[in-house]
This record gives sequence, structure tokens and C-alpha cells, in this order.
Amino acid sequence: SQQGEEDPQALSIQEGENATMNCSYKTSINNLQWYRQNSGRGLVHLILIRSNEREKHSGRLRVTLDTSKKSSSLLITASRAADTASYFCATGHLVGGAQKLVFGQGTRLTINP
Amino acid sequence: ETGVTQTPRHLVMGMTNKKSLKCEQHLGHNAMYWYKQSAKKPLELMFVYNFKEQTENNSVPSRFSPECPNSSHLFLHLHTLQPEDSALYLCASSPYLTNSNQPQHFGDGTRLSIL
Repeated sequence: SQQGEEDPQALSIQEGENATMNCSYKTSINNLQWYRQNSGRGLVHLILIRSNEREKHSGRLRVTLDTSKKSSSLLITASRAADTASYFCATGHLVGGAQKLVFGQGTRLTINP
Repeated sequence: ETGVTQTPRHLVMGMTNKKSLKCEQHLGHNAMYWYKQSAKKPLELMFVYNFKEQTENNSVPSRFSPECPNSSHLFLHLHTLQPEDSALYLCASSPYLTNSNQPQHFGDGTRLSIL
């Protein structure tokens, strides 16, 4: 399966703490993307890391990619209540000349005030 | 405002009804996608359109019929659905289908309930 698998499935932490979510996958990729989904809403793109990159930052987000281990992590620093959401990793592939994203089942993150 | 608008946001229909979901993107993108999101399952890609042409049908039952009249609009026509079709249906777009290193932009979805 090409699916990304997030770990943990659910995470609950106190506001101000850091949250780390992991994603593993099984086949080679062009990139790996992280998305956030608030309850009842669509997915919002957070960050894209290419297969030749190892680390990327965006504000309080830090993403790492280890292609040798076929894994990625998303770190959210200094968490806020508004970060409560589901987070999905998606592996990006070029199949037959067309982009394809394969999503994992997500991590449900709860930030407690 | 994500730039991708889906209507209706909620839809309840009987198994014999015919209804349509609509998606409109204001981003100038050329590729559009339909996804199905069910509880406790990963997002499932259903259809892909590139410059109005369907490029992928991911073994979707014929009771789901997509239509893409232009690069900005995408419809999903529904007919004789089953209870297991109850889910959140998400539309997404991206600039070019052939560029793998780009994000997809999602609408807020239509929550579909089949009675």
C-alpha cells in the first residue's frame, strides 16, 4: 500500500506544549504534504517537503523527512487551542504523468487550555 | 475563504433521489478532484479532471456521475445511492495535474446523508 500512516491516531496535550505527529509510508515519493482539517471543514494545506529535502519550517511548524526510513514528522511548537484539529500526511506521486496524493487516516490533536 | 466553494454544505436524500453536488474554484487552476471522506478511513480519490477532461475514475460505482463543463466548475451527480455512500465529499483543485510538487486546495465539502 502507498498509504501514509500517521502515529499516534490521537494526541492530547496542554496549551503551550509541543506536539509531534509521525507519518510512515511504503513506496518512493515525489513529496510529502501535511494538511489540517478542522471539524466540519475541508483540508488546509500546511507544508510540502520534496523528496530531496530533509527539513522545512513554516512559522511554528517544522517538518522532517527521512526517505531512507520512509517517514516524516510534523512538529507544532508552543501549541494553541486553535491548533485543535485533525492532521493528515499525504504522499505525492507522479503516476502516468499525473499528480496523485495518497492520504493517511490522520492524527486527531486536542490542545487543552 | 479557500478559493474552492462547494454547495450544498449538507444534503440528506433518499436512496431513490437524484441530486447534484457543485464545486467552483476561483484560483485559475486546471485540475480538479473529487474525494470521499468516510469515518475512520483515509481520504479516497474518486475522480480527476484536467482541463475539463476526465483523467481518472478510481473504480467508482456508476451511481456517481461527474461532470466538468469548464476548468472552474465540477459537479457530482448522484442517483440511487446506498447508505454506505453517506460521507463527506470534498472537491479540490491544483494548478497543473502534471506538476507533482504542488498542494491541492480543498473546499469545505458536502456532508451527504443517505436515508
